[in-house]
Amino acid sequence: EPEVTQTPSHQVTQMGQEVILRCVPISNHLYFYWYRQILGQKVEFLVSFYNNEISEKSEIFDDQFSVERPDGSNFTLKIRSTKLEDSAMYFCASSEYLAGYDEQFFGPGTRLTVL
Amino acid sequence: AQSVAQPEDQVNVAEGNPLTVKCTYSVSGNPYLFWYVQYPNRGLQFLLKYITGDNLVKGSYGFEAEFNKSQTSFHLKKPSALVSDSALYFCAVSRSGGYNKLIFGAGTRLAVHP
Repeated sequence: EPEVTQTPSHQVTQMGQEVILRCVPISNHLYFYWYRQILGQKVEFLVSFYNNEISEKSEIFDDQFSVERPDGSNFTLKIRSTKLEDSAMYFCASSEYLAGYDEQFFGPGTRLTVL
Repeated sequence: AQSVAQPEDQVNVAEGNPLTVKCTYSVSGNPYLFWYVQYPNRGLQFLLKYITGDNLVKGSYGFEAEFNKSQTSFHLKKPSALVSDSALYFCAVSRSGGYNKLIFGAGTRLAVHP
């Protein structure tokens, strides 16, 4: 069964450093997402991406964040200058269709720890 | 603004008994409702969704959920719980009109005891 994969599973970084989280969505999916879950809190939407453009983003997704699909398979989330409060589990997801009614398939997550 | 409430942090049930995990939502327009399950060290796995039509939807692993528009609820149910159903369950909502972000509830931990 196809699945979304994410690397690394755990990333530890120093405050102020740049990190890139990587995701490989399901191959025939066209819509890609990033969510995050701070420990003990809700899963929160960050951004959705389609046709090489951001289609929707939350207020969390400020100028420190960017997303990219550098090739035909990878989808990345970059945090330019990490803060302590960026420590969270980051989930990548993909879906075949848009319109909100299509289920999103999630990866196992990357746990980001900012020291 | 959209929101989802899962009023129970944890639900405990004996194996073989029916289980219910509660979810209520608030959204403008027509809601699309989802249930996901998370096992330890795994991502969120899709269980079922309600888009339109029959209020009772069936999903994976014998789970079902009932959409109730008047009560703005979408409770997850299973007639006979298994120990292996023990996990964290998330209710989520999106809305019609080209919006595709999911708004999640806080999650409910289901513990099924032998």
